Amino acid sequence: AQTVTQSQPEMSVQEAETVTLSCTYDTSESDYYLFWYKQPPSRQMILVIRQEAYKQQNATENRFSVNFQKAAKSFSLKISDSQLGDAAMYFCAYRTLEYGNKLVFGAGTILRVKS
Amino acid sequence: NAGVTQTPKFQVLKTGQSMTLQCAQDMNHNSMYWYRQDPGMGLRLIYYSASEGTTDKGEVPNGYNVSRLNKREFSLRLESAAPSQTSVYFCASSVLAGAHEQFFGPGTRLTVL
Repeated sequence: AQTVTQSQPEMSVQEAETVTLSCTYDTSESDYYLFWYKQPPSRQMILVIRQEAYKQQNATENRFSVNFQKAAKSFSLKISDSQLGDAAMYFCAYRTLEYGNKLVFGAGTILRVKS
Repeated sequence: NAGVTQTPKFQVLKTGQSMTLQCAQDMNHNSMYWYRQDPGMGLRLIYYSASEGTTDKGEVPNGYNVSRLNKREFSLRLESAAPSQTSVYFCASSVLAGAHEQFFGPGTRLTVL
């Protein structure tokens, strides 16, 4: 079974600085998708960025980028120019291509942004 | 489009009571999912429906039942609620195939006393 590990329960960053959130996963599949979701205090789950495993190029979305290391099974999220609105719980998730396309989530990292 | 909607938003039950959590999506998605979120554990899959007419167990199905009423609606039922089922419940939906992400509802906070 696939597992996702986020080793940082909590992180802090100064406004306008850069922070990196870590994620590792375990799978025997060769093709899959990885996601970072943001959950602000409103509880709504918001997709931040996704990465297809077959693509070597790291995904970027404005201030958000990933460092995808397939051989190491590592998928970290870098947030540049951090803003107060970035403060939230961040979840790394793995999506299998098996029947049902299920998501497996990590435990989450709380990101605090200091002004 | 409303996306994924869930009712109710909050609920308090006594041990042994039953209830049904409702979920509906208006995006014509094939697949729907129920997750629970507990502190320090992330979201865990309870049940899912890969397509209309099918349902399958996820990681933590015990104590729950589901019904895929039609393509739009996917309900989660607690027959005899227990304090261990105190959690936040999320419904999600996605297109069956491809790289599409899952879209989440706003969640239901359930407390079982």
